[in-house]
Amino acid sequence: DIVMTQTPSSQAVSAGEKVTMSCKSSQSLLYSENKKNYLAWYQQKPGQSPKLLISWASTRESGVPDRFIGSGSGTDFTLTISSVQAEDLAVYYCEQYYDTPLTFGSGTKLEIK
Amino acid sequence: QVKLLQSGAALVKPGDSVKMSCKASGYTFTDYIIHWVKQSHGKSLEWIGYINPYSGGTNYNEKFKSKATLTVDKSSSTAYMEFSRLTSEDSAIYYCASPLPGYPWGQGVMVTVSS
Repeated sequence: DIVMTQTPSSQAVSAGEKVTMSCKSSQSLLYSENKKNYLAWYQQKPGQSPKLLISWASTRESGVPDRFIGSGSGTDFTLTISSVQAEDLAVYYCEQYYDTPLTFGSGTKLEIK
Repeated sequence: QVKLLQSGAALVKPGDSVKMSCKASGYTFTDYIIHWVKQSHGKSLEWIGYINPYSGGTNYNEKFKSKATLTVDKSSSTAYMEFSRLTSEDSAIYYCASPLPGYPWGQGVMVTVSS
C-alpha cells in the first residue's frame, strides 16, 4: 500500500497569515502516460464530511477560493493557504488515487490563533 | 442538485451485522462509482472499497474484504454497505462518496458497537 505522510500534525496561525502543509507519498504518484499526479487534498471542518478542494495535485475544484494552492509532483506535495481566514479552521487530508487501496494521510489540523 | 443521502445512526451489538444505505439524486446513478470510507473517532480516513453501479463490479481494500459487502439497487439509485461480525473496532463514521463533478460525500453514518 502507498503510505501518505503529512506534516505537521497541527498548526496554529493568525488570520491573514500564509500557511503551508506537506504531504509525502511512499512512491511516486506521477503517471508517466499522462504526466498527471494522482493526489487530492480534502478539507474537513468540525462535524462535517470531507470536502474535495484540489485534485491532480494542483487543480482547484469549482467554488474553492483561490487562496488554496496545491503544488508538488512525484512524492512531495504541498497545500498552501495564502491568507488564512477564520472559516479555514479544519483538518486537511491528502489522498492518493494512483493505486488501490486508496490511502489518506493522517491529516494536518489547522487552528486559528 | 447532486446529493448523497445516507441512512441514520446505528447502535449494534458485537457480533451483529449492520447494513447502511446511500441514496443518490441529481445525476445518473449508473454513471459514477460509489466509494465507501471509514473514519474512526478523531482519526483519519480509510478507504473500504468502491462499487460500479452500472456493472455491480467491486474493488475492496484487502483489510475490509471479509468485513464489508457492497451492493446497489439501480431501481432506487441506492448503494448499500453491509458490515459483518462487528467489534468495537468497527465503531466509526462511514461515508459514501462519488467522483462526479463536485465530488459529493454523504453526511456519514455513525455506527456504535456496544453490548
